[in-house]
Amino acid sequence: DAGVIQSPRHEVTEMGQEVTLRCKPISGHNSLFWYRQTMMRGLELLIYFNNNVPIDDSGMPEDRFSAKMPNASFSTLKIQPSEPRDSAVYFCASSLGGDQPQHFGDGTRLSIL
Amino acid sequence: AQSVTQPDIHITVSEGASLELRCNYSYGATPYLFWYVQSPGQGLQLLLKYFSGDTLVQGIKGFEAEFKRSQSSFNLRKPSVHWSDAAEYFCAVGGTSGGSYIPTFGRGTSLIVHP
Repeated sequence: DAGVIQSPRHEVTEMGQEVTLRCKPISGHNSLFWYRQTMMRGLELLIYFNNNVPIDDSGMPEDRFSAKMPNASFSTLKIQPSEPRDSAVYFCASSLGGDQPQHFGDGTRLSIL
Repeated sequence: AQSVTQPDIHITVSEGASLELRCNYSYGATPYLFWYVQSPGQGLQLLLKYFSGDTLVQGIKGFEAEFKRSQSSFNLRKPSVHWSDAAEYFCAVGGTSGGSYIPTFGRGTSLIVHP
């Protein structure tokens, strides 16, 4: 079975540019999570979808960040405009929901110059 | 609100030595508890989970963890560490909040293995 697939694996761009991160969850999983990982703040939950509906976006840092899940097999996290402080590793995870464990993708390492 | 504390930022052990990584949680009811491992450049991989029943849980790669309700702890152990175990380890507690299930992760413990 394919795991959670994220693209791109690495992204380097200049500040002010729009950045779009993509995630394909495991087939059959109905919960999807976006995380950001930095040395300073550790692993932060940004947003959580259940059955394609955003349930909790309290972790989204500001209006520059937005996330969508148009269908059960695809989600995007967009940053517009990007800033150097957005540099981090962004992870997508999916699960069967409820108390089931999450399965993580390999992340997107984002560098904003 | 639920929370997780991993008191050790780094742990250094010699290859072949035993290992114990500490995890303390705060949660009002019986928690769901997880340990994940993250190798460099990769995402988090589930090692083991506790939902109920036997308080000693066996996981992959020879790891085990023991749930101690009286101490609010879920420490991870391995009797003999291999060099390939060097990685970042995360403890997580899960539970419902406002009707949603959202796990909370600790800050992680970095394991360094000396030859």
